[in-house]
Amino acid sequence: SQKIEQNSEALNIQEGKTATLTCNYTNYSPAYLQWYRQDPGRGPVFLLLIRENEKEKRKERLKVTFDTTLKQSLFHITASQPADSATYLCALDARGGGADGLTFGKGTHLIIQP
Amino acid sequence: DAGVIQSPRHEVTEMGQEVTLRCKPISGHNSLFWYRQTMMRGLELLIYFNNNVPIDDSGMPEDRFSAKMPNASFSTLKIQPSEPRDSAVYFCASSFRGEPQHFGDGTRLSIL
Repeated sequence: SQKIEQNSEALNIQEGKTATLTCNYTNYSPAYLQWYRQDPGRGPVFLLLIRENEKEKRKERLKVTFDTTLKQSLFHITASQPADSATYLCALDARGGGADGLTFGKGTHLIIQP
Repeated sequence: DAGVIQSPRHEVTEMGQEVTLRCKPISGHNSLFWYRQTMMRGLELLIYFNNNVPIDDSGMPEDRFSAKMPNASFSTLKIQPSEPRDSAVYFCASSFRGEPQHFGDGTRLSIL
C-alpha cells in the first residue's frame, strides 16, 4: 500500500542552524510533492511545490529537493529562527493536475531554540 | 481577501446526535476538499469535489458520513449518527485549477 513517512515526530534545532526535514514515500509515483506548514489550532499553509522533473526549488530561506529514484524529498530551512517553529507536512498528489486530493505525511514538529 | 471559512470552530455533542460542518471556499476556486486530522492517523482526505461534483469519496469512513456541495460557495459534511471515534479536527480546503490548496482553520469536533 502507499505510504509516506516523515523522518521524525520532533526535531530540535539551535537558532541560526539549518533544519533538514525528510519525507520518504513508497508504492507511489507522484507527479509532484508539496510542503505545508501548520501552526497549533490552524490549518496547513502551503509553502513550496516541486514537480517530478525538478531536482530543487528555493524560496527565500527554504529549499526543497526531490529525488524520484530514492523516493525522497528533503526540506531545508537555512538560518532558522524561533518563528520557524511549527509542524511541517509533506504531501503527494498521485495523479498530477492538482485537482485531486492530497496524501499527507504525519508531519515533523520542528522546534527552533533561541 | 477572505480565506476558506469553516463553521463552527468547535463542536461538542453527545454520541448519536447529527453533526453538520460547514465550509465556504475561496471565491472562484473550483475544487473543494474535506480532510480529517487525528494524532493517530494524521491528515486524511475524506472526499473532494471538482466544479461542485463529488469526484472521490473513497476516504469517507462509512455510511454515517455524507458530504454535499449544492453550489460553488458552500459545502457541508454531515455525520449521522455521530460516535466518539469521530472526534477529530475536520478541515476544508479549496483550490483553483490545480494550484496548491488553501485550508480553513478547521472544526474541532468532540463526540462525548
